[in-house]
Amino acid sequence: DAGVIQSPRHEVTEMGQEVTLRCKPISGHDYLFWYRQTMMRGLELLIYFNNNVPIDDSGMPEDRFSAKMPNASFSTLKIQPSEPRDSAVYFCASTLGGRNQPQHFGDGTRLSIL
Amino acid sequence: SQQGEEDPQALSIQEGENATMNCSYKTSINNLQWYRQNSGRGLVHLILIRSNEREKHSGRLRVTLDTSKKSSSLLITASRAADTASYFCATDSTNDMRFGAGTRLTVKP
Repeated sequence: DAGVIQSPRHEVTEMGQEVTLRCKPISGHDYLFWYRQTMMRGLELLIYFNNNVPIDDSGMPEDRFSAKMPNASFSTLKIQPSEPRDSAVYFCASTLGGRNQPQHFGDGTRLSIL
Repeated sequence: SQQGEEDPQALSIQEGENATMNCSYKTSINNLQWYRQNSGRGLVHLILIRSNEREKHSGRLRVTLDTSKKSSSLLITASRAADTASYFCATDSTNDMRFGAGTRLTVKP
């Protein structure tokens, strides 16, 4: 079975550029989560969707961050404009049946903003 | 901010020994989950324990939950070099689900 697929795996870009991270959840899963992981702050929940609808975006740090889920098999996290402090590993996860169910994580996108 | 706090932050043991990691949390929870993360990879779910359960087993893993002390422990028995990873607890409460900072486990062959 294909797991959660994230692209790109690595992204290096200059400050001010737009960054788009992509995620394909496991087929049939109805919840999708975006996380950010840094050494300083650990794993932070940014936003999650249920049936393609954003439920809680309280973790989105600033208006520079936006997330969409146009259909059940695709989601994007966009940062515009990017800043060096956005450098982190961004994970997407999906699950079936509820926020509190075991989550399946992708292998993340390592983002470096120069 | 994080809800669960793991300790120790890092643990180094010899292959064959047991490893115990602890997680403490602050608010009432519905369930608590443990995850493993290998270097450069995403988190992998290990085990879920509900608030009305006290102990669960899965292979070489044993998880306990003490809601009166707001704490949980993960025991890995007969450790292997392949168990080297970071281990995180995740607490689910009414308002949110949060991950702890993790314990970095190194198992030396």
